[in-house]
Amino acid sequence: DARVTQTPRHKVTEMGQEVTMRCQPILGHNTVFWYRQTMMQGLELLAYFRNRAPLDDSGMPKDRFSAEMPDATLATLKIQPSEPRDSAVYFCASGGDRAAYEQYFGPGTRLTVT
Amino acid sequence: GQNIDQPTEMTATEGAIVQINCTYQTSGFNGLFWYQQHAGEAPTFLSYNVLDGLEEKGRFSSFLSRSKGYSYLLLKELQMKDSASYLCAGLYSTLTFGKGTMLLVSP
Repeated sequence: DARVTQTPRHKVTEMGQEVTMRCQPILGHNTVFWYRQTMMQGLELLAYFRNRAPLDDSGMPKDRFSAEMPDATLATLKIQPSEPRDSAVYFCASGGDRAAYEQYFGPGTRLTVT
Repeated sequence: GQNIDQPTEMTATEGAIVQINCTYQTSGFNGLFWYQQHAGEAPTFLSYNVLDGLEEKGRFSSFLSRSKGYSYLLLKELQMKDSASYLCAGLYSTLTFGKGTMLLVSP
């Protein structure tokens, strides 16, 4: 049963702390997406990788957010320093070559920054 | 940006049919996705339209008119478990999601 996994599922942290979220895409998928979802803004694309190379991170606040794929089985999204406005659910999704945009979403990381 | 517009919420009765509309910007458009998202869960893929017309998949159908910048998701024989948010997403250089339509199915 192939699925995208994300850790942690929940994170509560104080303003100013570093937060690292991890994602394991479905084996064989070569596209990985990071999204942020809030009630106000809906689902927003933060970053997009194909074959581990970042293709689009224009939706990401560059001063505090960074996204990487150290290898094909791991994608990370880091926030440093975190702020209360970063509180949201962060989803990772992966897709394959044949239907790169038929994305399979992970369960999400619910982040609360106090 | 690419404006994806859909109603905020809709209500319907079990067993009925409901149509959720979505309009989008046509410039740079490559295709239209629909996702379902239950409360507290991740979005799951429902359908993808790239050509004009109706795509049927069981109780769910999705329609696209590229010239009009319009799509709809049709849900038939509604069940209580269909209560969820339905996200319309336009494919441009990347996927741009609408804010979702919260559908509440009542007995």
